Amino acid sequence: DAKTTQPPSMDCAEGRAANLPCNHSTISGNEYVYWYRQIHSQGPQYIIHGLKNNETNEMASLIITEDRKSSTLILPHATLRDTAVYYCIVRLNTGGGNKLTFGTGTQLKVEL
Amino acid sequence: GAVVSQHPSWVICKSGTSVKIECRSLDFQATTMFWYRQFPKQSLMLMATSNEGSKATYEQGVEKDKFLINHASLTLSTLTVTSAHPEDSSFYICSATIGLAGNEQFFGPGTRLTVL
Repeated sequence: DAKTTQPPSMDCAEGRAANLPCNHSTISGNEYVYWYRQIHSQGPQYIIHGLKNNETNEMASLIITEDRKSSTLILPHATLRDTAVYYCIVRLNTGGGNKLTFGTGTQLKVEL
Repeated sequence: GAVVSQHPSWVICKSGTSVKIECRSLDFQATTMFWYRQFPKQSLMLMATSNEGSKATYEQGVEKDKFLINHASLTLSTLTVTSAHPEDSSFYICSATIGLAGNEQFFGPGTRLTVL
């Protein structure tokens, strides 16, 4: 799996958009970008994933650059409950047995 | 849907004892389950991949005789930490995938193990 680079921490004001960047310059053509988050002392939670096109769901939007070497996770209206460590992971999408390799992630702190 | 549970949520044991942690997929059948370990202020580290009815595949550096994994059914995998020592104290998390076609991993809430 390709290595990813994320800033160790970010702050965001409640109600504002949180934009979390991720660099994955060695990503290969058939690798997807996945985002998970982990609230303190809980298991990780799936957020979103994508291959080339931008994606949006009820939790977030994923913007992938045209060269696919970086992406941004956008939480449009961050709340205090979005405080968590956010992990950007790239991996092949070849079936349920494919393992995830977690990096150090970005600690997002949402404040009043 | 796609809920994964773990039991117990926390456990404290004496050094030298064995501890069993259960991971269950509550509303789906999980062909593959994964076990992770997370030390304080660190990221998740994959320990092993468990497929129903076959032996688990362990990551490099993980002792298979110390961390026994059994995946006897499509809804249950167990991790047994044998002869636990204080350095085994950690947060153990399992995940499961739906059948063969699913790519999303659903994570359990984790089990906090403290070895005295």
